[in-house]
Amino acid sequence: DGGITQSPKYLFRKEGQNVTLSCEQNLNHDAMYWYRQDPGQGLRLIYYSQIVNDFQKGDIAEGYSVSREKKESFPLTVTSAQKNPTAFYLCASSIDPLGEQYFGPGTRLTVT
Amino acid sequence: GENVEQHPSTLSVQEGDSAVIKCTYSDSASNYFPWYKQELGKGPQLIIDIRSNVGEKKDQRIAVTLNKTAKHFSLHITETQPEDSAVYFCAATLYSSASKIIFGSGTRLSIRP
Repeated sequence: DGGITQSPKYLFRKEGQNVTLSCEQNLNHDAMYWYRQDPGQGLRLIYYSQIVNDFQKGDIAEGYSVSREKKESFPLTVTSAQKNPTAFYLCASSIDPLGEQYFGPGTRLTVT
Repeated sequence: GENVEQHPSTLSVQEGDSAVIKCTYSDSASNYFPWYKQELGKGPQLIIDIRSNVGEKKDQRIAVTLNKTAKHFSLHITETQPEDSAVYFCAATLYSSASKIIFGSGTRLSIRP
């Protein structure tokens, strides 16, 4: 059963703590992405990776970090430097950077 | 900068009527235009896409039209049903700064019974 998974679905953290969101895909896709979605707003690109061991900053990378050590995995760390971390985070993957993106179910992060 | 503008941000239509969502893009090299539907609490899913070598594409009740000269494309949903209520995103390929897809800001479509 191929797809892209994110865990957990809901995540709660205290301010000042780093937190890592998981994203795994078994679609054999080279490209992976992280988006942030705030209520009533569109998708803002945080980071993307076109191939293993390579990633690029998106439009709102400040306060976030990623790694791409395996093709299947693209974890996102929300650091304490991120001023407004509470949001819905979406991970996606695609065969190539210009192809259809397959999205995970999302992780809703709440920081208090 | 390069972007995709989407209008309207919210749209309410009577069940059975048609809905139209419009997008414009700025990169004249863009050649792939997907549309995604996002249901509440879920990730977006591709519903239809069009490439620049065609002007229109249909799939049952949904259709997309593309005007490359004017750099705009539209999503048309006919005979709307309650399950069409969702947020819809248009997108376009971007080549000028990096090869990637950029998304519009989304349209929240509500179908009134």
